[in-house]
Amino acid sequence: TQLLEQSPQFLSIQEGENLTVYCNSSSVFSSLQWYRQEPGEGPVLLVTVVTGGEVKKLKRLTFQFGDARKDSSLHITAAQPGDTGLYLCAGGGNKLTFGTGTQLKVEL
Amino acid sequence: NAGVMQNPRHLVRRRGQEARLRCSPMKGHSHVYWYRQLPEEGLKFMVYLQKENIIDESGMPKERFSAEFPKEGPSILRIQQVVRGDSAAYFCASSPVPQKNTEAFFGQGTRLTVV
Repeated sequence: TQLLEQSPQFLSIQEGENLTVYCNSSSVFSSLQWYRQEPGEGPVLLVTVVTGGEVKKLKRLTFQFGDARKDSSLHITAAQPGDTGLYLCAGGGNKLTFGTGTQLKVEL
Repeated sequence: NAGVMQNPRHLVRRRGQEARLRCSPMKGHSHVYWYRQLPEEGLKFMVYLQKENIIDESGMPKERFSAEFPKEGPSILRIQQVVRGDSAAYFCASSPVPQKNTEAFFGQGTRLTVV
């Protein structure tokens, strides 16, 4: 069974701070996806990383896939209240395994 | 371009009743996936369907749960004789080809409460 552990589980920061969320597994994934989920809504795909060592940027968000394709990180620069939400990593193709989630709260 | 549509958004059932959750995939999408998000737990895969076929139901509980995706109409997740432990958010996702080769888009979910 493939497992994805995310850390930290909860993160509360002030607007303007930087943060990094980690997603780790003992299994190799052919690709990993990052989602953001807001209360009462479904997950929204942010990015898919495919190649080991790959770095993708989405405005203030930087995603990295580990060289061995077992881990990934999400770095947010100058966080804003609109970044508040549950961040989920997921992998596994047709049958996605989701990470444990990181609940981020950005306060003014 | 309508996204994945799920209905109802909220569903309340008494113990022992049946719950029917509907999912209309995005236009042109023939692959549908159901996931369940229990309180304080992550999203868990339940079942993967194509039109008229169940491809992978390894995440479905052995009893009371069934899913279908008919040639015409939405995909249905059916839960018979609901129990309090079935209370959760149920999400549907769809993709035009198998998800492993592309992105899947999620609906807003159906929140089932069993009282």
